[in-house]
Amino acid sequence: DQQVKQNSPSLSVQEGRISILNCDYTNSMFDYFLWYKKYPAEGPTFLISISSIKDKNEDGRFTVFLNKSAKHLSLHIVPSQPGDSAVYFCAASGWGRAGNMLTFGGGTRLMVKP
Amino acid sequence: DVKVTQSSRYLVKRTGEKVFLECVQDMDHENMFWYRQDPGLGLRLIYFSYDVKMKEKGDIPEGYSVSREKKERFSLILESASTNQTSMYLCASSAQQGANTEAFFGQGTRLTVV
Repeated sequence: DQQVKQNSPSLSVQEGRISILNCDYTNSMFDYFLWYKKYPAEGPTFLISISSIKDKNEDGRFTVFLNKSAKHLSLHIVPSQPGDSAVYFCAASGWGRAGNMLTFGGGTRLMVKP
Repeated sequence: DVKVTQSSRYLVKRTGEKVFLECVQDMDHENMFWYRQDPGLGLRLIYFSYDVKMKEKGDIPEGYSVSREKKERFSLILESASTNQTSMYLCASSAQQGANTEAFFGQGTRLTVV
């Protein structure tokens, strides 16, 4: 049973518009959430994270929102750029999971059209 | 910058062969991980290690083993490769068990078993 789910396998957005990527989780023990970006034939790179004590974290064009009661987080990219086209993975970790072990969602492929 | 280096970008092996995937990190991280990435399934944890000679099974350890003889090096071993082990393999490392830190990934090894 997947504990972290990204229900949209793909998303297409026009350049300059907002991209919203969604992620749901089921494990109440998760208390730290991350987004990674992955280009083909490369390893994932860390993008942004949020602790469960916050509901929003912002870094430039990227903002992550956390709704603990709904067990839902989202990544907003504003404005979207063609270079943002990649696969985005949501990940979660928490106390009780040794070694900061991350559980990943299935990924969402974002395509930003010029 | 943290660097995680995987020994090969692409590998082609025959069914039944013993396969070694090597990973080295240069930031003195305690934790090291092996994931595999398959379309729609995201990144799934195979094994992780939180110290030299220490290892723990992840979500999909069957058919794999690992070795960590030195802190900086974590090896993934496919004892007898099978076609269903064709995948992208990703090594990662992170610091400090119990702290909220991100994992840093290598560039990945695309393994094809024929």
